[in-house]
Amino acid sequence: DIRMTQSPASLSASLGETVNIECLASEDIYSDLAWYQQKPGKSPQLLIYNANSLQNGVPSRFSGSGSGTQYSLKINSLQSEDVATYFCQQYNNYPFTFGSGTKLEIK
Amino acid sequence: EVQLVESGGGLVQPGASLKLSCVASGFTFSDYWMSWVRQTPGKTMEWIGDIKYDGSYTNYAPSLKNRFTISRDNAKSTLYLQMSNVRSEDTATYYCTMATGGGVMDAWGQGASVTVSS
Repeated sequence: DIRMTQSPASLSASLGETVNIECLASEDIYSDLAWYQQKPGKSPQLLIYNANSLQNGVPSRFSGSGSGTQYSLKINSLQSEDVATYFCQQYNNYPFTFGSGTKLEIK
Repeated sequence: EVQLVESGGGLVQPGASLKLSCVASGFTFSDYWMSWVRQTPGKTMEWIGDIKYDGSYTNYAPSLKNRFTISRDNAKSTLYLQMSNVRSEDTATYYCTMATGGGVMDAWGQGASVTVSS
């Protein structure tokens, strides 16, 4: 199985700041990577797919980048509604696997 | 609007069986792969498996393959997860998802909570 190592586990930032969340795959996943946002008490929602493609309706302050084994999610101008847990997921190889999540809070 | 509504969760005894259902609406169900994902109480996400749009092919997480079965009824726009010989570690929220692009989970249901306990 491909192991997805996500960091940091938690993050506290101020409104308006820029934050970065990293995901490291145990092998090359050829940009077959998605990012999901899960707000407290809600189901996950797709933010980014193919490492850098923004899902329809997702604010442009979210962006994804990376290739090979290293990927990142960037949130510009942090808003209060961005408080959530963020997960990465690879879909290059079965079984699909998720990172352990990053819990984002406002400082 | 895509909607996925899971049902069938609850409290179940170890060793028992349970079948979850997911009714889909707002899209042509028979055109899409569908998958099940679970989230443990500690928030770990685990992919369970998926099923081809016509029901002819399934993939499973190796650790669950012998106990879990995914099926679908396209006439009813319904996805199923049959769980057998459940264990305490199967306690989780189970999500039905619509899969696109080879494994991207475009839409998620609200989740069905399953608790395995005697």
